[in-house]
Amino acid sequence: GESVGLHLPTLSVQEGDNSIINCAYSNSASDYFIWYKQESGKGPQFIIDIRSNMDKRQGQRVTVLLNKTVKHLSLQIAATQPGDSAVYFCAEKSGGVNTGFQKLVFGTGTRLLVSP
Amino acid sequence: GAVVSQHPSRVICKSGTSVKIECRSLDFQATTMFWYRQFPKQSLMLMATSNEGSKATYEQGVEKDKFLINHASLTLSTLTVTSAHPEDSSFYICSARVYRAETQYFGPGTRLLVL
Repeated sequence: GESVGLHLPTLSVQEGDNSIINCAYSNSASDYFIWYKQESGKGPQFIIDIRSNMDKRQGQRVTVLLNKTVKHLSLQIAATQPGDSAVYFCAEKSGGVNTGFQKLVFGTGTRLLVSP
Repeated sequence: GAVVSQHPSRVICKSGTSVKIECRSLDFQATTMFWYRQFPKQSLMLMATSNEGSKATYEQGVEKDKFLINHASLTLSTLTVTSAHPEDSSFYICSARVYRAETQYFGPGTRLLVL
């Protein structure tokens, strides 16, 4: 079902460290997952996605890991920079087999704070 | 590419009035558009899904007569909050997707404050 968080978990790191943001998803039938970055007062920005037939996918400075056994998703950010400070949401695709009617279900989000 | 815009970015209105928010896909044709609402420090909650030329599908608990959605063209969807009340104050975000594609592109959001 939908996730609503009253308190955003926060991850504080130093500039240059590697960051790992975790997400537990709810639907074992979900076959597509996305990580979004949302800066204050802005809409979500696509970071990276992964299909359920993959365990790992790498982008520029980011890696997404998928563990379907425990329904867990993680986002790794290498050499974290102050500009990475934002709220990060994972999202899973749910719905019928007709992709025209599938929708994204968002996780509660994690706030990443990067100190210089 | 894949830019979605929203207008206005901020709006303040009096209780009881209606407010229209526009969502446009600038460089692609969006067969499906989604409207989300986000309260402070919370996640995005899907309100409705609209496919071009057909009626919107509303999520459970979302009043379709209060949140009117029109998706008249492949590049424009509108959300009208009718008879707005202070509890409708929120951040409204739209997203757009090409038919059978999986990636959704989000707009910058509209901050609504109802006094």
